[in-house]
Amino acid sequence: KNEVEQSPQNLTAQEGEFITINCSYSVGISALHWLQQHPGGGIVSLFMLSSGKKKHGRLIATINIQEKHSSLHITASHPRDSAVYICAVRRLFYGGSQGNLIFGKGTKLSVKP
Amino acid sequence: NAGVTQTPKFQVLKTGQSMTLQCAQDMNHEYMSWYRQDPGMGLRLIHYSVGAGITDQGEVPNGYNVSRSTTEDFPLRLLSAAPSQTSVYFCASSYSMDSHIPYNSPLHFGNGTRLTVT
Repeated sequence: KNEVEQSPQNLTAQEGEFITINCSYSVGISALHWLQQHPGGGIVSLFMLSSGKKKHGRLIATINIQEKHSSLHITASHPRDSAVYICAVRRLFYGGSQGNLIFGKGTKLSVKP
Repeated sequence: NAGVTQTPKFQVLKTGQSMTLQCAQDMNHEYMSWYRQDPGMGLRLIHYSVGAGITDQGEVPNGYNVSRSTTEDFPLRLLSAAPSQTSVYFCASSYSMDSHIPYNSPLHFGNGTRLTVT
């Protein structure tokens, strides 16, 4: 079982819809990252959070440490939001072959006009 | 402030050739790392470094070498390229990966290198 699971793997939405992407993890963490990767493009950090909620424009990220779960919400989605969204967790205990970060496999979002 | 600069953007190699992917950051970050991204696999850690002179292996280190002689630079060397190394490579840095310092330590990625080995 992967230590970081994202759902759904693929998501198609109509422009304007409210979108939720989920990330569940099974290890103790000090922080969680949400990343965005546009097709053929680089990877951009959207949020880093260790508790509560953060908002940036139409994007909202929440985390529940007790339930080991985080969500990324996009309000009023737009075609330019089409990208792969990646969850990554920073493990509490440093070291090992993963170098302290564990990545989910990503959620591919497509927003249709 | 350029962030993380990764070169080249594209590269085609023949099997057995060697090459170096360059990664430089100007943010005085302690932590630097190399990942490869393959379809359906997500990002997989190749090597990482927590400071000048210190490197360690990640999940998929075979066939790759790294060094960290300065804080700024973290090159990745392919010693003898193989078709299995065809992938997109990303360099990433962060101020610290110390789990006691999570704040102000977001990840910064380079723009990626698309490598094809024939």
